[in-house]
Amino acid sequence: GAGVSQSPSNKVTEKGKDVELRCDPISGHTALYWYRQSLGQGLEFLIYFQGNSAPDKSGLPSDRFSAERTGGSVSTLTIQRTQQEDSAVYLCASSLALPTSAGANVLTFGAGSRLTVL
Amino acid sequence: AQKITQTQPGMFVQEKEAVTLDCTYDTSDQSYGLFWYKQPSSGEMIFLIYQGSYDEQNATEGRYSLNFQKARKSANLVISASQLGDSAMYFCAMREGTGGFKTIFGAGTRLFVKA
Repeated sequence: GAGVSQSPSNKVTEKGKDVELRCDPISGHTALYWYRQSLGQGLEFLIYFQGNSAPDKSGLPSDRFSAERTGGSVSTLTIQRTQQEDSAVYLCASSLALPTSAGANVLTFGAGSRLTVL
Repeated sequence: AQKITQTQPGMFVQEKEAVTLDCTYDTSDQSYGLFWYKQPSSGEMIFLIYQGSYDEQNATEGRYSLNFQKARKSANLVISASQLGDSAMYFCAMREGTGGFKTIFGAGTRLFVKA
């Protein structure tokens, strides 16, 4: 697509329920990133994908968080047994994956999924 | 471990004046990339400027320039001739260069431009 698409844009859920957040990256972008942004705060790295594999999952806060990417395209971030501290905006971004020496790999961000856990 | 530090939670600048937003980073990689992004109150993330670790010249994009001091591991953003529309959060980011594309962000600086 023309841009990075995220759904849902807003999700309100009850504590203990599972949620799935979806990201559809720009066509041809092999790198895909998930970040979490709490109100007024910075971007907390969660995970990134190179193709369908995730070289770095170090940012996932707990084993309740998981993510997958299929077909080198769409990615899903799943949060199980949601807690109130999971409330945040979840941002997805994608980029080309050029060798460093070749130049910038600018991240293009989606509009985010705002998650509220009651 | 890689780290990005932005020590200015908030900054004020008078319209039409220049402002510098600080960013320091820590990495053991020799090859890496540095970025600045802007996030207005609407929430969208807007790419501003990029500097590669091997670039000898400081990057410039219109009113934005990046003051890259490699030995000091700093990558400060300079905005010249500030405009009211520059009021936003500004994030410094670094992409690792050795075999991966992980990109981490600093905590951000909120810039307020006064009329």
